[in-house]
Amino acid sequence: DTAVSQTPKYLVTQMGNDKSIKCEQNLGHDTMYWYKQDSKKFLKIMFSYNNKELIINETVPNRFSPKSPDKAHLNLHINSLELGDSAVYFCASSQEWADLANTGELFFGEGSRLTVL
Amino acid sequence: AQSVTQLDSQVPVFEEAPVELRCNYSSSVSVYLFWYVQYPNQGLQLLLKYLSGSTLVKGINGFEAEFNKSQTSFHLRKPSVHISDTAEYFCAVSDLLGADSWGKLQFGAGTQVVVTP
Repeated sequence: DTAVSQTPKYLVTQMGNDKSIKCEQNLGHDTMYWYKQDSKKFLKIMFSYNNKELIINETVPNRFSPKSPDKAHLNLHINSLELGDSAVYFCASSQEWADLANTGELFFGEGSRLTVL
Repeated sequence: AQSVTQLDSQVPVFEEAPVELRCNYSSSVSVYLFWYVQYPNQGLQLLLKYLSGSTLVKGINGFEAEFNKSQTSFHLRKPSVHISDTAEYFCAVSDLLGADSWGKLQFGAGTQVVVTP
């Protein structure tokens, strides 16, 4: 039973399209994150939600919009896709936001590889 | 703000040989330090972490790391690697007090370990 699951795992689409990636965690965690991993494997945080509330919003284009319908789900919608959006997007969770600063343990999904043509 | 430098982008190593992955960080405040591992086509998982106490930290799969405050380093070691240790390894830091960085894990660029027979 996967702890943090993302769908789809692979996504190939044309420039200008809109796409969504879904994430669900069954760990009972309060905090969820989206990270972007570029072609050089560099990982950068994009967003974080704690109990459905947005707490981290890094400098990303406003074409990216996260949504958390409940604390077990965090979706990422991307409008008007560009070539530079091609990357692997990782969803992650931690027990609580304060817990991340204390224990640092993030639980990651397997990633969603987005290719924009 | 903190930053993390992983000095080697790739480390080739023979099976049963030792390996050391170097990580240096810069931060003006106290930090927590972590190593994550990413196996091919998977998400990241926590290998080990330093929060406080003994500077030698033992993790899963026979890995250990040593925190050296004076050298601001947190190098990862394994005395004898297996083929299955082939993966990408990420060093990460959590800033305890920074207003802009609290609650975020800052990752290094990763070190690819390739174990050959």
